[in-house]
Amino acid sequence: KQEVTQIPAALSVPEGENLVLNCSFTDSAIYNLQWFRQDPGKGLTSLLLIQSSQREQTSGRLNASLDKSSGRSTLYIAASQPGDSATYLCAVRSGNTGKLIFGQGTTLQVKP
Amino acid sequence: EAEVAQSPRYKITEKSQAVAFWCDPISGHATLYWYRQILGQGPELLVQFQDESVVDDSQLPKDRFSAERLKGVDSTLKIQPAELGDSAMYLCASSLVSSQETQYFGPGTRLLVL
Repeated sequence: KQEVTQIPAALSVPEGENLVLNCSFTDSAIYNLQWFRQDPGKGLTSLLLIQSSQREQTSGRLNASLDKSSGRSTLYIAASQPGDSATYLCAVRSGNTGKLIFGQGTTLQVKP
Repeated sequence: EAEVAQSPRYKITEKSQAVAFWCDPISGHATLYWYRQILGQGPELLVQFQDESVVDDSQLPKDRFSAERLKGVDSTLKIQPAELGDSAMYLCASSLVSSQETQYFGPGTRLLVL
């Protein structure tokens, strides 16, 4: 059974700092991995999607990497801003039905 | 930019009552998902549709939950009777035909059962 873990559960950094969020999964046989952002009480916003054949994806100040063999992904945020404060969720798709298995998320606070 | 629509945004009900949530996916998206997110946790899939057919409902509590997508477009998720433990955010998502595609989520319906 696929399990997804995100560490740490919460993170507080000063504005401008570069930071890394971690995601690990137990079964390396995945189709893809997706990173989402969730603001309090809101839905999920897709940030990056990495297919199993890819090593990384970049969008603006965000860079996500994938190491299937070790069951790990990282989300790198450069030059963090207060507007980046949110919960970040990673999710893996293991089967061919599209079902996503989510981690519990990392809640990020960027202080001005 | 096209978005997934959900209504209502908030719902308060008493236990044993019936509740229903509605979702309208992005136009042209054949795959529709309903997830439940308990506070402080990641979402968990309840049911997945491909057009009007159920692909996966293994985690749907079928004694009280039902879902339909009659014309393969919008969808309704129903709970009857609601229980205190059903209090959560109910999220709808959609994707293009292939299950390899990005899933796009709606704003969710927050349910509180008293």
